[in-house]
Amino acid sequence: DIQMTQSPSSLSASVGDRVTITCRASQNVGNDVNWYQQKPGKVPKLLIYGAFSLQSGVPSRFSGSRSGTDFILTISSLQPEDFATYYCQQTYSAPRSITFGQGTRLDIK
Amino acid sequence: QVQLEESGPGLVEPSETLSLTCSVSDYSITDGYFWGWIRQPPGKGLEWIGSIHYSGSTYYNPSLRSRVSISRDTSKNQFSLKVTSVTAADTAVYYCATVSYYLDSGNRYYYMDVWGKGTTVTVSS
Repeated sequence: DIQMTQSPSSLSASVGDRVTITCRASQNVGNDVNWYQQKPGKVPKLLIYGAFSLQSGVPSRFSGSRSGTDFILTISSLQPEDFATYYCQQTYSAPRSITFGQGTRLDIK
Repeated sequence: QVQLEESGPGLVEPSETLSLTCSVSDYSITDGYFWGWIRQPPGKGLEWIGSIHYSGSTYYNPSLRSRVSISRDTSKNQFSLKVTSVTAADTAVYYCATVSYYLDSGNRYYYMDVWGKGTTVTVSS
């Protein structure tokens, strides 16, 4: 199975900061990586699909990039509503198998 | 915009079978997409359970395959999840979601863009 390892597991930052979250795949997954945001008690929300594409309605301060098997979610200037947990997801082996990273919790410093 | 809503018992006894239904509105489950189940134990991350294609083909997480089945009722525009022999480790919020895909340069890219609100299932006697 393909494993997705996120780093860091948790992160503290301030409003206005630039933040990056990394997800490393255990093997080649092409560009088949998505990013989700989940706030406490809420449903996960799709932010980025296909490694780079911004989901409709998602602010442009969110962006996705790739370096080999490392996938990066960048928030260019943190806003108060961005404090949440973020998950990466590989769909390279979909529909047979889909896996999520363990999550990165982003807190207010 | 397609809408999904989970329903089912909130409490299941150990060793019994967990059964949930996802009701789909504003889109026929036989017209397209995959339809998936995801769960999240308390305080933990997301786990894909399995998916059913609009054709009826099913796909399961290898770690759960022996205990999980997904089916559909096209007359009610619903799809369902069964997990057998449950333990406390199956306590979680269970979500249903659309598994959409698009084509780019001959490759198919999948993502989960519409989710139900989730339903909490507790396994306890």
